[in-house]
Amino acid sequence: AQSVTQLDSHVSVSEGTPVLLRCNYSSSYSPSLFWYVQHPNKGLQLLLKYTSAATLVKGINGFEAEFKKSETSFHLTKPSAHMSDAAEYFCVCPGFSGGYNKLIFGAGTRLAVHP
Amino acid sequence: DTAVSQTPKYLVTQMGNDKSIKCEQNLGHDTMYWYKQDSKKFLKIMFSYNNKELIINETVPNRFSPKSPDKAHLNLHINSLELGDSAVYFCASSPRTSGRSIYSYEQYFGPGTRLTVT
Repeated sequence: AQSVTQLDSHVSVSEGTPVLLRCNYSSSYSPSLFWYVQHPNKGLQLLLKYTSAATLVKGINGFEAEFKKSETSFHLTKPSAHMSDAAEYFCVCPGFSGGYNKLIFGAGTRLAVHP
Repeated sequence: DTAVSQTPKYLVTQMGNDKSIKCEQNLGHDTMYWYKQDSKKFLKIMFSYNNKELIINETVPNRFSPKSPDKAHLNLHINSLELGDSAVYFCASSPRTSGRSIYSYEQYFGPGTRLTVT
C-alpha cells in the first residue's frame, strides 16, 4: 500500500528565507504525488503534482517539489517565504478503495512565517 | 463562479441531534467525496459517490448517511450526533473515479463545514 510521511508537524521561517517541507513516500512502484495547501479557515487547494514527466515540479505561488526516487522523498521548497504562505501543507499520494481512486493524506505540516 | 460549495459553513449543535450538510459542485464532475478533518488536521476520506452511486465507504459509523440526489449534489446526514463528530467536513469532486493517470486523482475541495457538538 502507498503512504506518505510528513517529517515535520510545524515549520517556522522568517519572511524572505527559504522554505523546506519534507515528505517521504512509500510505494512499491513509481508513485504519483501531490502537495495541497490549506489556508486558515479555507478549503484545500492543489499546489502541484508529480506526473513522472520531470522530477522537478513547479507549482503555484513559487513553490517547487523534487521527486527523488533514491531517497523516496518529495520535499516542497520555496526560495523566499512570504507572509501569505502561512498555511497547512499536505503531502498526498493516490490510493485505491474497491477499485476506485482515493487520496491518502499525510499528517500535514503547519508553516508559520514571521516578519 | 465554478466551484464546490458547502452549506452551512459553521454548525453548532448538541449531542443527540440530527443534522445535515449540503454540497454542490458546478464543475460537471461525475465523482464527489466527503472527508473528515479532525482537530489535529488529519484528513481522511469517508465516502465517495459516482453518478449518484456509492463507490467508497471507509468504515464510517452507520449514523452517517450520504445522499446524492444527482451527480452535482452530495449531502451528508448525521444522526445522533456525538462529541467525537466535532470536526471540519470537506466535500470534494473530481472528473474521474478510476484509472492510473494522475489526472484521475485531481480533486477540487469545498471550503469546509466546521461542526461543533456540545
